[in-house]
Amino acid sequence: NAGVTQTPKFRVLKTGQSMTLLCAQDMNHEYMYWYRQDPGMGLRLIHYSVGEGTTAKGEVPDGYNVSRLKKQNFLLGLESAAPSQTSVYFCASSYYDGETQYFGPGTRLLVL
Amino acid sequence: KQEVTQIPAALSVPEGENLVLNCSFTDSAIYNLQWFRQDPGKGLTSLLLIQSSQREQTSGRLNASLDKSSGRSTLYIAASQPGDSATYLCAVRGNDYKLSFGAGTTVTVRA
Repeated sequence: NAGVTQTPKFRVLKTGQSMTLLCAQDMNHEYMYWYRQDPGMGLRLIHYSVGEGTTAKGEVPDGYNVSRLKKQNFLLGLESAAPSQTSVYFCASSYYDGETQYFGPGTRLLVL
Repeated sequence: KQEVTQIPAALSVPEGENLVLNCSFTDSAIYNLQWFRQDPGKGLTSLLLIQSSQREQTSGRLNASLDKSSGRSTLYIAASQPGDSATYLCAVRGNDYKLSFGAGTTVTVRA
């Protein structure tokens, strides 16, 4: 089992560019999450999904979009990157709500 | 809005000493609480999950307690080792699918 994997590991964008972060899990989990982690702050939930074809907003959804077309994949899109979106992005998944969340290794994004 | 606080932000101890990490939260209406470990440049690894009906959970040298009424959880790590050096994060799950994270305590265990 690879667990939760994230692509890419690191990316540099210019302001206004777009990109998609890919999260994949091979544990047949229903729930998937996208978080961002900034220095001195806890992880904050961006968007989440409770099953294939569903998405919902988290705490800090502005400037991001997500899609869950396949159960094993959860995509996070930045339509027009801003320097404030410089962060480390983590994907997580869990079998059911309230159960242990398993995290990917993270994607470091720098927006210039 | 749930606020989760971890104090201290950093801790340095000699090898063999017991570690005590604190987590406090403002809303006692929680579903469960998790402790995670994060190594530099890595993702989070779940250490212990305590359901709201439980008072503590144990795994090897780790013991986590939960006092919902006072909004506190404590993670104890017995006989610390240099390999325990990492950042430890506390996360509280409310009744809304969401985990609220503390900023973490960075632990250094000196050999």
